[in-house]
Amino acid sequence: GENVEQHPSTLSVQEGDSAVIKCTYSDSASNYFPWYKQELGKRPQLIIDIRSNVGEKKDQRIAVTLNKTAKHFSLHITETQPEDSAVYFCALGGTSYGKLTFGQGTILTVHP
Amino acid sequence: GAVVSQHPSWVICKSGTSVKIECRSLDFQATTMFWYRQFPKQSLMLMATSNEGSKATYEQGVEKDKFLINHASLTLSTLTVTSAHPEDSSFYICSATIPGLGPGDTQYFGPGTRLTVL
Repeated sequence: GENVEQHPSTLSVQEGDSAVIKCTYSDSASNYFPWYKQELGKRPQLIIDIRSNVGEKKDQRIAVTLNKTAKHFSLHITETQPEDSAVYFCALGGTSYGKLTFGQGTILTVHP
Repeated sequence: GAVVSQHPSWVICKSGTSVKIECRSLDFQATTMFWYRQFPKQSLMLMATSNEGSKATYEQGVEKDKFLINHASLTLSTLTVTSAHPEDSSFYICSATIPGLGPGDTQYFGPGTRLTVL
């Protein structure tokens, strides 16, 4: 089945710095790569996603890059703010209709 | 658009009892819904895929007789935890997809249900 490894498990940055979280996967048939943000006790919120026909996608301070050859994709957050502090999950999809496999999560802390 | 609700938001029950959790898509029809379980400080683990009008597909290691899933309509799926035990205490989250795009449909999550079994 699908397997996805997410790193780092924790990330601490100063406000204004950039944050990068990376996920690697093994199933080359995967073609959908979403990123979710989850605040404590709340639902995961989709923040950005990318499909395999695109190498990069950007939405204001958030971007995702995909390297299908190397089988990894990354979340980039620029100009971080304290409200960006949360747990971020990458996920992998596309090999089974609608089904997602989640990474282990990254606890991002942005210090004011 | 694409709002998913869950009820209840939290529930406390005694060991041995059954608990039903509802997941509804409010403004769209969801032919497929998913049920996840999330333990503290851990990732979301898919329990089962729920398809309207058919039997749910359970992930390996998930007991189908313990976690009963019913998807009777295009807007409602229910998860019943039968004979609950303290180790079933967890955060249960459902999600729904908007059909039509094929593999890789975006999943929209419900707010989750915090289950505590005493």
